[in-house]
Amino acid sequence: DAGVIQSPRHEVTEMGQEVTLRCKPISGHNSLFWYRQTMMRGLELLIYFNNNVPIDDSGMPEDRFSAKMPNASFSTLKIQPSEPRDSAVYFCASSLEGEGNQPQHFGDGTRLSIL
Amino acid sequence: AQSVTQPDIHITVSEGASLELRCNYSYGATPYLFWYVQSPGQGLQLLLKYFSGDTLVQGIKGFEAEFKRSQSSFNLRKPSVHWSDAAEYFCAALGYGGSQGNLIFGKGTKLSVKP
Repeated sequence: DAGVIQSPRHEVTEMGQEVTLRCKPISGHNSLFWYRQTMMRGLELLIYFNNNVPIDDSGMPEDRFSAKMPNASFSTLKIQPSEPRDSAVYFCASSLEGEGNQPQHFGDGTRLSIL
Repeated sequence: AQSVTQPDIHITVSEGASLELRCNYSYGATPYLFWYVQSPGQGLQLLLKYFSGDTLVQGIKGFEAEFKRSQSSFNLRKPSVHWSDAAEYFCAALGYGGSQGNLIFGKGTKLSVKP
C-alpha cells in the first residue's frame, strides 16, 4: 500500500521566494495534517483538514503560511515570502477518522532550507 | 492542561540490553495513547497504540508498552535492543473520543545503541 507521499524531499531556496510543499494522503483517509519539526520547538501541528475542510489552523505561524486541500488526494502548504526561520522539516500525515479513531500515518517529510 | 511528558531526552543502551522509555500523561480521563518511532530522515512510524482493554500492548519490531492508570504512564519496553533501534521515540496522547487534530506529542526521547 502506498503511504503518505510528500514532495519535494528537499528544498533549498533563498529568502523571499515562494515555497510550495505537496502531499498526497493515503487513499480513503479523510483527515490530513501538516506538521513542522525543528530542534528547538519539536513537532508542531500547523493545520489539519477533515473531508478537505480546514478544521484548525491555529498552529499556522503567520499569514505568510497558507494551506489548501482542493480534493481528497492532494494538499499544499505554501510559504510566501519565505524566511530563514522557516527552515525545518515539514511533515504531512493522514488518518481515517470516524471509524475507531485510527492513528495518523506520516510521510517522510520535506526538509526545507531557506538561505 | 493536557500534556504528555517524556522525561528522558537522550538514552544510551548497549546492544542486547533491555530498554524502557518513559511516558507520562496528564488528562482528565484515560486518553488514547500511542508510541511512534522516527528514524533519521524519515517520518514517524506507529509502533503501537492503546485504546482500552489489556494494559499490555504489543507492537511492531518487538516493542511493547504497559498502561498504568495509577501512575498515568505508558512506558515503552523492549527486552533486547538491536542497533537498528537507534532512533527517536515519541509518545502521544489523544482525549477519549477526540479528533486526531488534538493529538499531543511528547518532546521525544533519542535512543542511541552502543555496540
